[in-house]
Amino acid sequence: GAGVSQSPSNKVTEKGKDVELRCDPISGHTALYWYRQSLGQGLEFLIYFQGNSAPDKSGLPSDRFSAERTGGSVSTLTIQRTQQEDSAVYLCASSLGRVGYNSPLHFGNGTRLTVT
Amino acid sequence: AQKVTQAQTEISVVEKEDVTLDCVYETRDTTYYLFWYKQPPSGELVFLIRRNSFDEQNEISGRYSWNFQKSTSSFNFTITASQVVDSAVYFCALAPPLIGGSQGNLIFGKGTKLSVKP
Repeated sequence: GAGVSQSPSNKVTEKGKDVELRCDPISGHTALYWYRQSLGQGLEFLIYFQGNSAPDKSGLPSDRFSAERTGGSVSTLTIQRTQQEDSAVYLCASSLGRVGYNSPLHFGNGTRLTVT
Repeated sequence: AQKVTQAQTEISVVEKEDVTLDCVYETRDTTYYLFWYKQPPSGELVFLIRRNSFDEQNEISGRYSWNFQKSTSSFNFTITASQVVDSAVYFCALAPPLIGGSQGNLIFGKGTKLSVKP
């Protein structure tokens, strides 16, 4: 597609429920990232996928968070047993190659998650 | 440890004023990349510029200019003759090297919210 697409744009869920957030990267981009942006905070790295390599999960805040990327394209971020502190905007980004290799990130509009 | 500091949380200027957004970074790597992103009220982050650590030449793009100084670990962003449409949150970010560091995630500062009033 023309840009990174995320769905849903907004999600309200009750504490303790599981949620799935979807990201459709730009076609041909091999790298995909999930970031979290809390109110008044910067962007917090969560997880990174690069091609067929094992993902870099070093930013996931707890084992309630997981992500997968099927077929090297669409990615799903899953949060189990949601807590109120999980409320944030979850941003997905993709890049042509590894970001350190001079490839900028292209971000989606994000999913605003509210846990009540 | 790698870190990006944007000390200015919020800046408010009047249209046509010049404004500089500060960015200071910390890294032990000799090769790295620096970025600026803009997040307008619509929410989508927009890439503005990237700079690699070997290129200290300042860059100008229209009303935007960037001053990279390795000696002070700073990568400041200046908007000349600001306009209302420049109102946004601006993020500075650091990327570790491709080889030897982490797999390439960006480390962001907390952002500077710029408000340009007419």
